[in-house]
Amino acid sequence: AQTIHQWPVAEIKAVGSPLSLGCTIKGKSSPNLYWYWQATGGTLQQLFYSITVGQVESVVQLNLSASRPKDDQFILSTEKLLLSHSGFYLCAWSPLGEDTQYFGPGTRLLVL
Amino acid sequence: GDSVTQTEGLVTLTEGLPVMLNCTYQSTYSPFLFWYVQHLNEAPKLLLKSFTDNKRPEHQGFHATLHKSSSSFHLQKSSAQLSDSALYYCALSAQGTGSKLSFGKGAKLTVSP
Repeated sequence: AQTIHQWPVAEIKAVGSPLSLGCTIKGKSSPNLYWYWQATGGTLQQLFYSITVGQVESVVQLNLSASRPKDDQFILSTEKLLLSHSGFYLCAWSPLGEDTQYFGPGTRLLVL
Repeated sequence: GDSVTQTEGLVTLTEGLPVMLNCTYQSTYSPFLFWYVQHLNEAPKLLLKSFTDNKRPEHQGFHATLHKSSSSFHLQKSSAQLSDSALYYCALSAQGTGSKLSFGKGAKLTVSP
C-alpha cells in the first residue's frame, strides 16, 4: 500500500528565515505530485505540480519554489519567509495517468 | 478556464435533517468532479468522485450525481450525523490533464444535536 509522509509536522519560523518542507510517497512509482497551501480558515490553493523527476510546474508561486530530486520526493522551499507564508502545507499525489489526488497529513507553518 | 462554484461559508443543520451542498462547474473538457471532506486539523480526504458512465457514487451515506446538462455535482445525504461536521470542497479536474485540481471555496458544515 502506498503511504505519503510529510516533514516536519509543524514549524515556527522567523520572518526572513529559510524554509524547506518535504514530502515522500512510498509504494507507488512515478506518481504525479502536488503542493497545496491553505491559509487558516481559507480554501485550498494549488502551488506546484510535478509529473516526473526534475520537472516542476508552477501554478501560483507565492515567493516559493519546488523541486523533485527523486521520483518519490517533492520539496517546497524559500530563502526568505514572509508573514503571509503561514498556513497549512499539503502534499498530494495521484497515480500516473489518473486524476484523483490523495493528500498527505500536512505541515503547519507559523511565521512570526 | 475551469472553475467550480459551490455552497460557501457556514451551513448549520440539526442532526437527522438532510444535507445538500451545491456544486456547479465550468469546463472546456468533460471533467471529473470530486467532493473532498476535511475534518478539523486534518488533511482533506476524498469523499466522492464522479463516474464517466453516469453511475451515482456513494460513500458514508453521501451521494452525488453528475448532471452534464446543468453542469452540477451536488452533494447529498438523507440524514445528517454529528460526525459529518467538517469542511466540504467540490473540485474539478479537466479529464486527462492530471495536472490541476480546481477547488471551490469550501463549505463548513456544522451538525448540532
